[in-house]
Amino acid sequence: DTGVSQNPRHKITKRGQNVTFRCDPISEHNRLYWYRQTLGQGPEFLTYFQNEAQLEKSRLLSDRFSAERPKGSFSTLEIQRTEQGDSAMYLCASSSLASGGFYEQYFGPGTRLTVT
Amino acid sequence: RKEVEQDPGPFNVPEGATVAFNCTYSNSASQSFFWYRQDCRKEPKLLMSVYSSGNEDGRFTAQLNRASQYISLLIRDSKLSDSATYLCVVNMDRRYGGSQGNLIFGKGTKLSVKP
Repeated sequence: DTGVSQNPRHKITKRGQNVTFRCDPISEHNRLYWYRQTLGQGPEFLTYFQNEAQLEKSRLLSDRFSAERPKGSFSTLEIQRTEQGDSAMYLCASSSLASGGFYEQYFGPGTRLTVT
Repeated sequence: RKEVEQDPGPFNVPEGATVAFNCTYSNSASQSFFWYRQDCRKEPKLLMSVYSSGNEDGRFTAQLNRASQYISLLIRDSKLSDSATYLCVVNMDRRYGGSQGNLIFGKGTKLSVKP
């Protein structure tokens, strides 16, 4: 399977614990994105990387959230001191430039986080 | 006003029906447009990129009206497997305060195709 992969698929943690998620993009894609989705809503943008550079962060990404892509390949998203409001599906996407001149993003299966 | 608005549905249609989804976006600087489908508890999957002249892919036709800031998706000859939530998505060019990273999603329109 050459699609975007994410690990773990599910994570249950107690409030106050730290969690880390991993995303492996499609190999030839240089852009990687993180989104968060809660029930009944569309995904909300968190941050994105071009190669190893983090080019944009949403104001949704509080100080407790940090993302890295150290070698321009896989990425990690860490949440420190988790809160119940962090419970959501965390989606990773990667993209390449399409023939229409814009980037088409392809999503991984997501990591479902439950904070108890 | 929300940046991307869609009728939440649900749309309940019989197999073989034609169904149309509409979407409006608030920022005229929006540059790229997409339709994604999302099955329950799964990730969004890219269905179509929407080109300025409109485009068709099999039973699916997407249209863009920049003047009205309106995007549509038409599904002909609905199949049971078309049952999903359809997400309207826009992206703004960085020059206008957006980002090529930041896709803005609507909440989605739920479609249920019945036998």
